[in-house]
Amino acid sequence: GDSVTQMEGPVTLSEEAFLTINCTYTATGYPSLFWYVQYPGEGLQLLLKATKADDKGSNKGFEATYRKETTSFHLEKGSVQVSDSAVYFCALKGQGAQKLVFGQGTRLTINP
Amino acid sequence: GAVVSQHPSWVICKSGTSVKIECRSLDFQATTMFWYRQFPKQSLMLMATSNEGSKATYEQGVEKDKFLINHASLTLSTLTVTSAHPEDSSFYICSARYSGASGNTDTQYFGPGTRLTVL
Repeated sequence: GDSVTQMEGPVTLSEEAFLTINCTYTATGYPSLFWYVQYPGEGLQLLLKATKADDKGSNKGFEATYRKETTSFHLEKGSVQVSDSAVYFCALKGQGAQKLVFGQGTRLTINP
Repeated sequence: GAVVSQHPSWVICKSGTSVKIECRSLDFQATTMFWYRQFPKQSLMLMATSNEGSKATYEQGVEKDKFLINHASLTLSTLTVTSAHPEDSSFYICSARYSGASGNTDTQYFGPGTRLTVL
């Protein structure tokens, strides 16, 4: 079945550092790919998404490119801020499917 | 943007009692809502998919008689944890999929979650 694998956390960085959180997936066909962010004590918020190969999703300085050849959707940000501290989830929705399949989440802490 | 609310945001109950959690899409209609359970520092586990006006579809291993889901309208779904026990303590999150003619139906919008503690 479909699955998502994220890099294990926790990840701790200093403010203004470059961020990469790796995400790879297994799915048949052409899934849609998503990154969600969960701030402490809150539900998930959609951060960005891409629905076809080579699409780049971007929001709030974060970017991720749908790479079908490597089945990856790595999340990047050039300069992180303390306010980016949260748990980040990579997810996919299979072609024609209703439900999302989530990765295990990566906890990110940014120190001032 | 699309907003999904949950009520209550937290609840503490005694073992053996039932607890109802509401999930509402505030500014859009949602033909499909999803219920998830999240354990501390872990990912979300899909419990069931709820389509308006029909019975929910439960994931394997989820007890349908224990976790009753009702999706009576396009803006409201409820999850009732019946005869709750301490092992049911968790963070329950709902999401709703936009079903309007315009906009992107590929996106789920999540509620803020409900923390259930069973004593």
